[in-house]
Amino acid sequence: AQTVTQSQPEMSVQEAETVTLSCTYDTSESNYYLFWYKQPPSRQMILVIRQEAYKQQNATENRFSVNFQKAAKSFSLKISDSQLGDTAMYFCAFMNLHGGSEKLVFGKGTKLTVNP
Amino acid sequence: GAGVSQTPSNKVTEKGKYVELRCDPISGHTALYWYRQSLGQGPEFLIYFQGTGAADDSGLPNDRFFAVRPEGSVSTLKIQRTERGDSAVYLCASSPKVGSEQYFGPGTRLTVT
Repeated sequence: AQTVTQSQPEMSVQEAETVTLSCTYDTSESNYYLFWYKQPPSRQMILVIRQEAYKQQNATENRFSVNFQKAAKSFSLKISDSQLGDTAMYFCAFMNLHGGSEKLVFGKGTKLTVNP
Repeated sequence: GAGVSQTPSNKVTEKGKYVELRCDPISGHTALYWYRQSLGQGPEFLIYFQGTGAADDSGLPNDRFFAVRPEGSVSTLKIQRTERGDSAVYLCASSPKVGSEQYFGPGTRLTVT
């Protein structure tokens, strides 16, 4: 079974600075996707960024980028120019593309606070 | 267009009662998922529908939990003989195809007293 580990329960950053959230995962599969989701207090899970395992290039979405190290099974999220609206829980998630189930396996999350 | 909607947003019930939680996916999305999120945890997978059929129900914790999607759109998660340990936020998500983004609803917070 796949597992996802987020080793930082809480982090804080000053507005306009850069922060990196860590995620490691364990799998024997070769074809999978990785995701970062944001969950503000409203409970709505919002996709931040997605990485296909077969792609060597790291995904970027505006201020958000990932450092995907497939051999190390590491998938960290970097947030540049942090904004107050980035304050939320961030979840790393794994999706195995074999076996027919597209379920997401989530980590326990990192609570990020952006301070003014 | 409209996103995934879930009703009710909050549900309080007494131990032993039966509850139904509803999910309206995005129109045209064939895949629908249910997850359960306990306090301080990430969401945990319960069940996945492709069309009307449950393609993977390996996450349902026991036979008190059941879900249906009779017409391939709206889904209902049913919990019999609720227990206090069932208290959690139940999240629904839908997606248009394999491997694509799952769009989440706002969840139903279930409290069993």
